[in-house]
Amino acid sequence: AQSVAQPEDQVNVAEGNPLTVKCTYSVSGNPYLFWYVQYPNRGLQFLLKYITGDNLVKGSYGFEAEFNKSQTSFHLKKPSALVSDSALYFCAVRVPTNAGKSTFGDGTTLTVKP
Amino acid sequence: EAGVAQSPRYKIIEKRQSVAFWCNPISGHATLYWYQQILGQGPKLLIQFQNNGVVDDSQLPKDRFSAERLKGVDSTLKIQPAKLEDSAVYLCASSQSRVESYEQYFGPGTRLTVT
Repeated sequence: AQSVAQPEDQVNVAEGNPLTVKCTYSVSGNPYLFWYVQYPNRGLQFLLKYITGDNLVKGSYGFEAEFNKSQTSFHLKKPSALVSDSALYFCAVRVPTNAGKSTFGDGTTLTVKP
Repeated sequence: EAGVAQSPRYKIIEKRQSVAFWCNPISGHATLYWYQQILGQGPKLLIQFQNNGVVDDSQLPKDRFSAERLKGVDSTLKIQPAKLEDSAVYLCASSQSRVESYEQYFGPGTRLTVT
């Protein structure tokens, strides 16, 4: 069975500092990995994905993530955090086998303080 | 481009009552998903449609939950009868294709409270 772990329930950073939100996964086969962001009272919004190729993927709002196969990780990063980045972040994994379902982590709340 | 629409946004019912949620996906999106998101957890897939056919409903509690997408466009999720543990946000999502590399687009969700 596939699974996703987001080891930190909460991440706090100061505005202007770099941020990292961690994600590790467990699957059989090659994974497709996604990051979504959820703002209060809104649905999840797609940020970026890794399918194949370059291990560093860039997405919306200056976010990027690095796929590390040996460590089975897909950490979300941003060089300089903004207060407006404060939200709930979800990592998700799918396996390309007959419309394999998405498995989501339990989310990490990012708080960026001015 | 209009996003995924869901209604109602909020619903409060008593246990053993029934409730229905409606979803209209992004135009042209063939694949539609219903998720249950319990407070403090990530979304859990309940059912996935490809056009009007069910692709995966392995995690749908079929004794009380049902879903349909009769014309391959909008969809309805029903709970009958509701239990206290059904209190959650029900998210609808759509994607261009059932291919796993495609990202999903989510609606704002329906927050259900069962008392």
